Amino acid sequence: QQKVQQSPESLIVPEGGMASLNCTSSDRNVDYFWWYRQHSGKSPKMLMSIFSNGEKEEGRFTVHLNKASLHTSLHIRDSQPSDSALYLCAATDTNAYKVIFGKGTHLHVLP
Amino acid sequence: EAAVTQSPRNKVAVTGGKVTLSCNQTNNHNNMYWYRQDTGHGLRLIHYSYGAGSTEKGDIPDGYKASRPSQENFSLILELATPSQTSVYFCASGERGAEQFFGPGTRLTVL
Repeated sequence: QQKVQQSPESLIVPEGGMASLNCTSSDRNVDYFWWYRQHSGKSPKMLMSIFSNGEKEEGRFTVHLNKASLHTSLHIRDSQPSDSALYLCAATDTNAYKVIFGKGTHLHVLP
Repeated sequence: EAAVTQSPRNKVAVTGGKVTLSCNQTNNHNNMYWYRQDTGHGLRLIHYSYGAGSTEKGDIPDGYKASRPSQENFSLILELATPSQTSVYFCASGERGAEQFFGPGTRLTVL
């Protein structure tokens, strides 16, 4: 069973719209969450991280974390065609060397 | 910025042949990782290492060996390549509980 579940698998939003991506861990030992972005044909690059309950904003990107439910979400406002990519959620606990990745959400922003 | 390089970038191998994928990092990170990425599966961890001389099994280690001869280098070895190992392979480095930095990837085709 996948320990990090992401939804939806695919998402289409118009340019200028809001994209909302979800991620939940089934591992109660998880402490840290990351969001990575991977453009087609490229390698994943870390976009945002969140370790504490609440919200974190960086430009057009906002990430939320609810540690009780082990749920994180990424919101992209004013979406641009350049935001079209695979978004990977990752989770780990501070004592582990391993990071567990979800299968990702394919975001398509239509001009 | 962190630098992780991989070689070769593309490889075509024959079934039953030996394949070695190499990874080098100049970040002085203790931890290094090998993942494979397939459509519908996301990133799956094959082997990882927490320092020179160490290798640990990840989630899908069968059919793969790893070698970490130095802080900078981490290799993935397929002793007897099979068509099911056709995939894109990513190497990454990072510290425990922190962001991972990925190499550009190696596209392996086993015929």
